[in-house]
Amino acid sequence: EVQLVQSGAEVKKPGESLKISCKGSGYSFTSYWIGWVRQMPGKGLEWMGIIYPGDSDTRYSPSFQGQVTISADKSISTAYLQWSSLKASDTAMYYCARHMWGPDYGKLSGFDYWGQGTLVTVSS
Amino acid sequence: DIQMTQSPSSLSASVGDRVTITCRASQGISNSLAWYQQKPGKAPKLLLYAASRLESGVPSRFSGSGSGTDYTLTISSLQPEDFATYYCQQYYSTPPFTFGPGTKVDIK
Repeated sequence: EVQLVQSGAEVKKPGESLKISCKGSGYSFTSYWIGWVRQMPGKGLEWMGIIYPGDSDTRYSPSFQGQVTISADKSISTAYLQWSSLKASDTAMYYCARHMWGPDYGKLSGFDYWGQGTLVTVSS
Repeated sequence: DIQMTQSPSSLSASVGDRVTITCRASQGISNSLAWYQQKPGKAPKLLLYAASRLESGVPSRFSGSGSGTDYTLTISSLQPEDFATYYCQQYYSTPPFTFGPGTKVDIK
């Protein structure tokens, strides 16, 4: 059974750093792109970026480039999302999700499996 | 980047109603579109991909259609468990693979 299990909720102060995780199981972790999606309170879904754990190729949305870092450790089937200096506006639920492969070679499709979400609260 | 819009932003419907949600991309996306359902406090769930392909296990009352820039999600007969927010997402060509703003379906 494919599963993505995320780390637990975090409460942090502005300026602090944070790294949250997403552990994959039940499939070849190195063969699928993993993405991160932000959902601010009461708002919609925002695509942040993706990583291919096989070679750590990473792509970011321009909205999040330079604001977060996406990484992966394929030896433990885990992807990460990290901040070096949190802001109150980073308060949100963060989901990891697995991109399906599309019918055409090398093309991605939608997110077929999702983690349960990690709530990040940044408050002084 | 490709921008996505959805209409309506919300709708009220009754059990048994036929519901249609529209998603529009800022440029043609060649059916590279997924639809998700999200219930409060839960992760989104994939319903359809490639505009019209039903994800395994999703009831057949959900269907998708469209081409070019315009796509629709149809629920043929709304069930109590279908009250949720629905998002489209394009995954055409290169990232970012943007989501639409969502359509909330609630009980009339």
